Amino acid sequence: DAGVIQSPRHEVTEMGQEVTLRCKPISGHDYLFWYRQTMMRGLELLIYFNNNVPIDDSGMPEDRFSAKMPNASFSTLKIQPSEPRDSAVYFCASSLGQGMNTGELFFGEGSRLTVL
Amino acid sequence: AQSVTQLGSHVSVSEGALVLLRCNYSSSVPPYLFWYVQYPNQGLQLLLKYTSAATLVKGINGFEAEFKKSETSFHLTKPSAHMSDAAEYFCAVSDIGNNDMRFGAGTRLTVKP
Repeated sequence: DAGVIQSPRHEVTEMGQEVTLRCKPISGHDYLFWYRQTMMRGLELLIYFNNNVPIDDSGMPEDRFSAKMPNASFSTLKIQPSEPRDSAVYFCASSLGQGMNTGELFFGEGSRLTVL
Repeated sequence: AQSVTQLGSHVSVSEGALVLLRCNYSSSVPPYLFWYVQYPNQGLQLLLKYTSAATLVKGINGFEAEFKKSETSFHLTKPSAHMSDAAEYFCAVSDIGNNDMRFGAGTRLTVKP
């Protein structure tokens, strides 16, 4: 399998612009997670989906952030409008449900976002 | 809610020395525990995991960890450090039956020649 695929790997944008990050999970995985990593706050869980349905979005920092999963093979994380404090590495991860696996997460290589 | 605390944001050892990275967990139910490693500009990779079977868990690259319920700890060890072990290491916890995984702040391991 190709693993979790994220795009873009790097994004530089100006404050106020819309940013869309994309993720393709491992085929057959029914959980998808979005994490944000910064030096100050470490790895933060933003939101996760089960079978394309958002289960917990309590980590989404504010209404400027939104995430969708229109089908089992694709998810987006959107920031509109973006701000400099959103600069971070955003990771997508997928896993099999607890009933079939012990919850191990498989991570993509991340999308490094810089907002000027 | 479950959580983990990693003691020491930065650990430095000499090549060939023992590696010990500390992790304590807080969970109201028996947890699953994980150690992940992150190399520069890459995503996290699983090193090993504890899922309520053997308390001593062996992982990749010679690492192992021991689950100690009495101490609520899951420390990561390796008998002899190699230069290639230099990376950031994350401890993580999830409750059984819950896919909500929480990570510690990470420990950066430096290996000196």
